[in-house]
Amino acid sequence: QVQLQQSGPGLVKPSQTLSLTCAISGDSVSSNSAAWNWIRQSPSRGLEWLGRTFYRSKWYNDYAVSVKGRIIINPDTSKNQFSLQLNSVTPEDTAVYYCARQQQRAYEYWGQGTLVTVSS
Amino acid sequence: QSVLTQPPSVSAAPGQKVTISCSGSNSIFGNNYISWYQQLPGTAPKLLIYENNKRPSEIPDRFSGSKSGTSATLGITGLQTGDEADYYCGTWDSSLSAGVFGGGTKLTVL
Repeated sequence: QVQLQQSGPGLVKPSQTLSLTCAISGDSVSSNSAAWNWIRQSPSRGLEWLGRTFYRSKWYNDYAVSVKGRIIINPDTSKNQFSLQLNSVTPEDTAVYYCARQQQRAYEYWGQGTLVTVSS
Repeated sequence: QSVLTQPPSVSAAPGQKVTISCSGSNSIFGNNYISWYQQLPGTAPKLLIYENNKRPSEIPDRFSGSKSGTSATLGITGLQTGDEADYYCGTWDSSLSAGVFGGGTKLTVL
């Protein structure tokens, strides 16, 4: 059974960097059939896909246009986890952030969610 | 504004059937599979349907999915009070290499 455990701070100051980690059990971040995603949810924006990382003989990333230039998603094979880094945050980035495994064109497994508030 | 369009709310009585629609453009629906998610209050979304009409093994057959043209439908039969939740459709836009979701539909079981 795949489990995703999220960790990271719930409060970030404006202009600073949001950093979250998603630890994977029951699968490998280097899987050749899965992709590892970050998705956020807010009342104003609903569910919003942010980006993903995946391994197919080499590492790839895809990012949403809305956050491109501010986002980095990195795999950590030594700890079997992946991370989200979102730079230059504003109050608009306040949301519940989820990590999720994507396989068969759907998000089968989700982390528990982390409410991140951007406020001074 | 979401790329996929869903009705904001639907309602039906216990034991009845309800359908939730999800529509979008030709470019989104044409070559892409639709998935459906259930989100109970305070929890992460849960996958109900993938590849338009397939159910994970743990999802009861009361839940069904279909897709035709530029719309997809989630059907729920034998409604239970525990089905009250928000439901989202989603897809992978292969032309943009990006995930997209509908705005969600709140199901009320009266």
